[in-house]
Amino acid sequence: QKEVEQNSGPLSVPEGAIASLNCTYSDRVSQSFFWYRQYSGKSPELIMSIYSNGDKEDGRFTAQLNKASQYVSLLIRDSQPSDSATYLCALYTNAGKSTFGDGTTLTVKP
Amino acid sequence: DAGVTQSPTHLIKTRGQHVTLRCSPISGHKSVSWYQQVLGQGPQFIFQYYEKEERGRGNFPDRFSARQFPNYSSELNVNALLLGDSALYLCASSFTLMNTEAFFGQGTRLTVV
Repeated sequence: QKEVEQNSGPLSVPEGAIASLNCTYSDRVSQSFFWYRQYSGKSPELIMSIYSNGDKEDGRFTAQLNKASQYVSLLIRDSQPSDSATYLCALYTNAGKSTFGDGTTLTVKP
Repeated sequence: DAGVTQSPTHLIKTRGQHVTLRCSPISGHKSVSWYQQVLGQGPQFIFQYYEKEERGRGNFPDRFSARQFPNYSSELNVNALLLGDSALYLCASSFTLMNTEAFFGQGTRLTVV
């Protein structure tokens, strides 16, 4: 079992729809959780960070964390074609270890 | 302000050689992390350095080593290169140890032939 699991996709949504990206993790001592966006051929770009249970909103993006269920998600409202990319879930533990999932590829169709 | 800069951007090496990759963090950032990313996978954590000390190590062989300098720049060294070391090597910097607000450089594409 991978430490961070993401649906590989591809996930396809029409423009203006809500895209829902999910991530589960196995390490209960994980402290910090991040969502990165990676365009093809580019390096990852931080979108959201979340550290406590609940929702965190930033513009069209909402991150949700449930530590009891070891689950973190990212919602993208009013999806745009420019949101088409691979979305990476990542976590960080106090032991100084970062772990990334393999990403979910999102395509937003005009 | 300059972002995270990595050099070189591309590199071709022969099996058995060694390579040194360099990273300059964003000004004021004290943490540098190194990752290896192969096509179709997420970045794999190699090392984290904070305040010039190793604070985290991933599951990579001892052929991989790194260090951080007093100006917080960092080097990743890989000895006895294997074909399987071909990948994009990413450096990320952050202000804190917890990797909050981490920013990635553009990466170094290493090809081992």
